[in-house]
Amino acid sequence: DAMVIQNPRYQVTQFGKPVTLSCSQTLNHNVMYWYQQKSSQAPKLLFHYYDKDFNNEADTPDNFQSRRPNTSFCFLDIRSPGLGDTAMYLCATSRDSSETQYFGPGTRLLVL
Amino acid sequence: EDQVTQSPEALRLQEGESSSLNCSYTVSGLRGLFWYRQDPGKGPEFLFTLYSAGEEKEKERLKATLTKKESFLHITAPKPEDSATYLCAVQGNFGNEKLTFGTGTRLTIIP
Repeated sequence: DAMVIQNPRYQVTQFGKPVTLSCSQTLNHNVMYWYQQKSSQAPKLLFHYYDKDFNNEADTPDNFQSRRPNTSFCFLDIRSPGLGDTAMYLCATSRDSSETQYFGPGTRLLVL
Repeated sequence: EDQVTQSPEALRLQEGESSSLNCSYTVSGLRGLFWYRQDPGKGPEFLFTLYSAGEEKEKERLKATLTKKESFLHITAPKPEDSATYLCAVQGNFGNEKLTFGTGTRLTIIP
């Protein structure tokens, strides 16, 4: 049974065309994270929510935004995707910020 | 700043040939060290959490160990289905408790 679900699994968009990626969880975890992972690189944390509190990493571009309307869902909005935003986007959840993170299957984004 | 270095970058083994993957780390107070398995095009799958030097955990053909400076993931008699990238990450006691990942070891088991 999938516990962290990401949609879509694959997304192709054009340069500058806004895109939204979604993540949902059935674990009732307090914390939800968004990571960006480029080919053969380590996952890079973009931001996370502890409940409704938003925490942005200092080096996350302003082009990336996030919303968490309720405990189960979290969205990643890329307002004007550039070619360099082509990557796998990973959603993860944890019960608390000091506990194990569980990842979803990822959304592979291609910007043309 | 927390740092994680994994070696080797890639490892090819014959089926049944045991080996170890290395994760060296520097962190200001270790809260936890995590091992994940990642298959191509998929999200990381949690394997182990280690909290203190001397701790060991096992799961099927995998065993993870931890010292104050590094962790090893030992794989015993691997099978082709063990082929994947293995990621190591650390979480410190200070700052925002975020995970710092290494770039992984890409393991290939040849039948």
